[in-house]
Amino acid sequence: GQNIDQPTEMTATEGAIVQINCTYQTSGFNGLFWYQQHAGEAPTFLSYNVLDGLEEKGRFSSFLSRSKGYSYLLLKELQMKDSASYLCAAGGGADGLTFGKGTHLIIQP
Amino acid sequence: EAGVAQSPRYKIIEKRQSVAFWCNPISGHATLYWYQQILGQGPKLLIQFQNNGVVDDSQLPKDRFSAERLKGVDSTLKIQPAKLEDSAVYLCASSFGAGSGNTIYFGEGSWLTVV
Repeated sequence: GQNIDQPTEMTATEGAIVQINCTYQTSGFNGLFWYQQHAGEAPTFLSYNVLDGLEEKGRFSSFLSRSKGYSYLLLKELQMKDSASYLCAAGGGADGLTFGKGTHLIIQP
Repeated sequence: EAGVAQSPRYKIIEKRQSVAFWCNPISGHATLYWYQQILGQGPKLLIQFQNNGVVDDSQLPKDRFSAERLKGVDSTLKIQPAKLEDSAVYLCASSFGAGSGNTIYFGEGSWLTVV
């Protein structure tokens, strides 16, 4: 099985940078996903890491350390529309993803 | 490209009644998932299909929940009888193949309120 931990809520300022951490414990591991979910909407795919290191995609970057069971999502130049929940999810083998409870990110002007 | 389609979008039922949700995955996606998301929590996998076969249904409450994907495309999730704690969003998702290296794409969800 999988155990995913991430902070429940974070607050950041428009234009700033925020890092959302995620730790996981797995019986098997085949990649770490980040999804964004706005209130009342479905989760949308942000990033996927399977190798150690940083993956950059515009204002969003995701980092993975497999030896530490640790990932983070880095959001730069924050905009008000980035207010959402950010879900960390890990997968093992042929199974579907196991999601954390999500981090509710609040962006203040 | 059309996304994952779900219906109905919203449903309110009384406890002990039944409800069914329908899902049409992205064309060509062999793997279909049903997730349950309770308010304030992350999605929880209920069942995973690979074509028309079940890969994982270990977290599906089989005494009241059932799901099928008879022709390997559309799927239906049924709850009978519903309980108050079943109030949640039921998310259907699909991916090209099984295995978590495949990105999962979600539908907009079916919101269930049991009163």
